[in-house]
Amino acid sequence: SQKIEQNSEALNIQEGKTATLTCNYTNYSPAYLQWYRQDPGRGPVFLLLIRENEKEKRKERLKVTFDTTLKQSLFHITASQPADSATYLCALGEDTGFQKLVFGTGTRLLVSP
Amino acid sequence: GAVVSQHPSRVICKSGTSVKIECRSLDFQATTMFWYRQFPKKSLMLMATSNEGSKATYEQGVEKDKFLINHASLTLSTLTVTSAHPEDSSFYICRGQDLNTEAFFGQGTRLTVV
Repeated sequence: SQKIEQNSEALNIQEGKTATLTCNYTNYSPAYLQWYRQDPGRGPVFLLLIRENEKEKRKERLKVTFDTTLKQSLFHITASQPADSATYLCALGEDTGFQKLVFGTGTRLLVSP
Repeated sequence: GAVVSQHPSRVICKSGTSVKIECRSLDFQATTMFWYRQFPKKSLMLMATSNEGSKATYEQGVEKDKFLINHASLTLSTLTVTSAHPEDSSFYICRGQDLNTEAFFGQGTRLTVV
C-alpha cells in the first residue's frame, strides 16, 4: 500500500542547533516533493519544492534533500529558533501539474531557548 | 502577495443546520480549489477538487450531497456542510492552485457541531 511516513513523535531541540526531519514514502513515484509549515489552528504554509531530478534545495536557513533511491526526503533547519516551533508536513505529487498532493501526518518541532 | 482568505476561522453550529465556508483567492486566480479535512494529529485528507465553472470531483467516501462545493469564479469557492452532525466537527482547509508550483492554503475553519 502507499504510505508517506513522518515521525509522529515531536522533535525537541535546543535553540541554535540544526533540526532534521524525515519523510519516507512507499509505493509512490513522485515527480516532486514539497515541505510545509503548519501552526496550530492554521492552514499549511509552503516552504520548499524539490523535484525528482534535484538532490538538494536551499532557502535561507532551510535545506531539503531528495533521495529517490532511498525514497526519502530530509528537511533541515539550521540555527533553529523558538519561532521555528511548528508542525512540518511533507507532501508529494506524481503529476507534473502540481495539482494532486498527498500529505504526510507531519512532525512537530519544538525549539527551546 | 498571493493568498487565500478563508472565512470563518471558527464556527459553532447546532446539529441539523448548514454551514458555509468561503475561500477567496487574492492577487491570483485559483483555477482549481482543493478542499481538505484534517483531524487532530492526522494528515490532510482531500475531500474534493473543484474547477471554476464545473462540478466538483469528490474523493471516495465523501458524500457530495452533504458537502456542497461551489466554484463560481476564479476567485471564490465555497464549501457548505449541510445538515451538520457532531461527527462533521473538524478542521476544514481550502487550497488554491494557479498554474505555478506554489500552493496557497486558507487559514482553515474549525467547525464544531453541538
